[in-house]
Amino acid sequence: AQKITQTQPGMFVQEKEAVTLDCTYDTSDPSYGLFWYKQPSSGEMIFLIYQGSYDQQNATEGRYSLNFQKARKSANLVISASQLGDSAMYFCAMREGVLGVQTGANNLFFGTGTRLTVIP
Amino acid sequence: ETGVTQSPTHLIKTRGQQVTLRCSSQSGHNTVSWYQQALGQGPQFIFQYYREEENGRGNFPPRFSGLQFPNYSSELNVNALELDDSALYLCASSLAGTSGRPGETQYFGPGTRLLVL
Repeated sequence: AQKITQTQPGMFVQEKEAVTLDCTYDTSDPSYGLFWYKQPSSGEMIFLIYQGSYDQQNATEGRYSLNFQKARKSANLVISASQLGDSAMYFCAMREGVLGVQTGANNLFFGTGTRLTVIP
Repeated sequence: ETGVTQSPTHLIKTRGQQVTLRCSSQSGHNTVSWYQQALGQGPQFIFQYYREEENGRGNFPPRFSGLQFPNYSSELNVNALELDDSALYLCASSLAGTSGRPGETQYFGPGTRLLVL
């Protein structure tokens, strides 16, 4: 089974409007972290926001917020007041396991991404 | 604070050749992970280096190998290149072991685009 599922290959949003990008995850590990990254056409993956499985509140970072619904295993990204510069690929990712002083691999599992286009 | 850098930015090789990609981690980070991103896909984990040792590996054959140096920079080596190795190779650095809680964020470099002909 896919660990991260992004069901929206592409999304369009009007400038200044809000948009929600969907992400569901699959893990049996009680401890995990969820991430969203933005990838412009240049290729660099830009970290946007993080949510830990034990975090009580939904994460927010400026115009980005994460709608974390643990029972549904979903971690949707909400972008408020969309800007033209928000047009890019957006990837949801998950890391499983608890990190200690000497860590095992904290590799990320990525979804297939959603291409967001902001319309002027 | 210096971000993650990678070199070269682009590379063209022929099938059967060998390639070395380089990554300098973000200042203060001690862990480097490598990912392969084929066109239209999400990144796939290749391996991770922590304290100069491989600290986990994804589903990649042994012809993908790596190194981490005392300054935490890293190399990815690919031998006997195949056409399917054409991809964007991303390096990410993170700081492991400081908080004990999950989710140390990985910060990515701009990537190396490899084309195998």
